[in-house]
Amino acid sequence: QLQLQESGPGLVKPSETLSLTCTVSGGSISNSRYFWGWIRQPPGKGLEWIGSFYYSGGTYYNLSLKSRVTISVDTSKNQVSLKVRSVTAADTAFYYCARQVGHPGFHYFDPWGQGTLVTVSS
Amino acid sequence: QSVLTQPPSVTGAPGQRVTISCTGSSSNIGAGHDVHWYKQLPGTAPKLLIYGNHNRPSGVPDRFSGSKSGTSVSLAITGLQAEDEADYYCQSYDSSLDSYVFGTGTKVTVL
Repeated sequence: QLQLQESGPGLVKPSETLSLTCTVSGGSISNSRYFWGWIRQPPGKGLEWIGSFYYSGGTYYNLSLKSRVTISVDTSKNQVSLKVRSVTAADTAFYYCARQVGHPGFHYFDPWGQGTLVTVSS
Repeated sequence: QSVLTQPPSVTGAPGQRVTISCTGSSSNIGAGHDVHWYKQLPGTAPKLLIYGNHNRPSGVPDRFSGSKSGTSVSLAITGLQAEDEADYYCQSYDSSLDSYVFGTGTKVTVL
């Protein structure tokens, strides 16, 4: 059974870089059938797609965040990482990683990790 | 700034049928991109409920059904149960934004 687990600091200072890791178990991130995505949700608000990684095709980002976001992978550890630079309070959110199933333009997210709350505050 | 609009809340009594609409535009639902639905219980991650407009993953009760018409899609819950009380989100792809987009979310309350 595929499982995803996010990890990283729960508190980041304004203007610094938010760094999170998603560890995948029960499946390989190198599997060319799937993309791997990051989604965030400010407390009490809706969901926002951040970006995705495809082992055979690279990375794709939400244009509203593209200038500050980098998604990378470590295949030896079966991990997908997220970095968000120059954070502000608006980046405070629950961050989820999820497997993307389907094909470009049709992807849905399943399953999701449990999520991790990142608070941006000095 | 969600591009898919849902009603903020829907309420029903146990056993009743409720529907949640998800309205988009010509660059997402109207362009033919499929819609998927997620259920989010308080304090937990979203969970896939419907994919490809009307398909249920294994384990999802047939009380949940999805439909699509033009630029709108709907999620119906029949035989409403207390465990259905949650937030529900639709999701699709927007070709103008070149982005996966989510709905504004709907809170379902069971009386």
